[in-house]
Amino acid sequence: AQKVTQAQTEISVVEKEDVTLDCVYETRDTTYYLFWYKQPPSGELVFLIRRNSFDEQNEISGRYSWNFQKSTSSFNFTITASQVVDSAVYFCALGTGGFKTIFGAGTRLFVKA
Amino acid sequence: NAGVTQTPKFQVLKTGQSMTLQCAQDMNHEYMSWYRQDPGMGLRLIHYSVGAGITDQGEVPNGYNVSRSTTEDFPLRLLSAAPSQTSVYFCASSYQETAEQYFGPGTRLTVT
Repeated sequence: AQKVTQAQTEISVVEKEDVTLDCVYETRDTTYYLFWYKQPPSGELVFLIRRNSFDEQNEISGRYSWNFQKSTSSFNFTITASQVVDSAVYFCALGTGGFKTIFGAGTRLFVKA
Repeated sequence: NAGVTQTPKFQVLKTGQSMTLQCAQDMNHEYMSWYRQDPGMGLRLIHYSVGAGITDQGEVPNGYNVSRSTTEDFPLRLLSAAPSQTSVYFCASSYQETAEQYFGPGTRLTVT
């Protein structure tokens, strides 16, 4: 069975702190896809990144970086020098083909000025 | 280019009523899906479609019906609303079954 666990329900940081959001997944498939989405207070869901199972390269995009480790089944997301605009709910998701995507419960991030 | 649109934005139903949540996309995406979002539970897949005329069940399909007669539209029908269906509903589309999804703005449904 497929499962995504985001153990951190809420995280609160002060602006300019670095913060890491954890994501642990379970699947028996050898080919799968991992995603992160952001849901700001306005409610829309915004795609951030996609990774496939055979590409373990870490990715950096501005202040955002992602660390994919198959050995620990984790796909963690780090925001460097957080800003108030980063306050949102962040979802990790797992797709194993056939267009079925399983989402984690989300981590709510509060960034205080 | 509107992306994914959903109507209505808000809806209040009484128990037992039926209604259809509308979803449309103008990106010519073959893949579309419906999710519900409840506090602490993330998004759960209700139904999805891999092309016009093809639909399948997700994790929580009971109480909902879908059809896909065109590439653009993917309506979700609540047959007999129940308070447990109070939720925020999101429609999404994608150009590929393994690609990221583009989400609509959501419909907040309350069943009393």
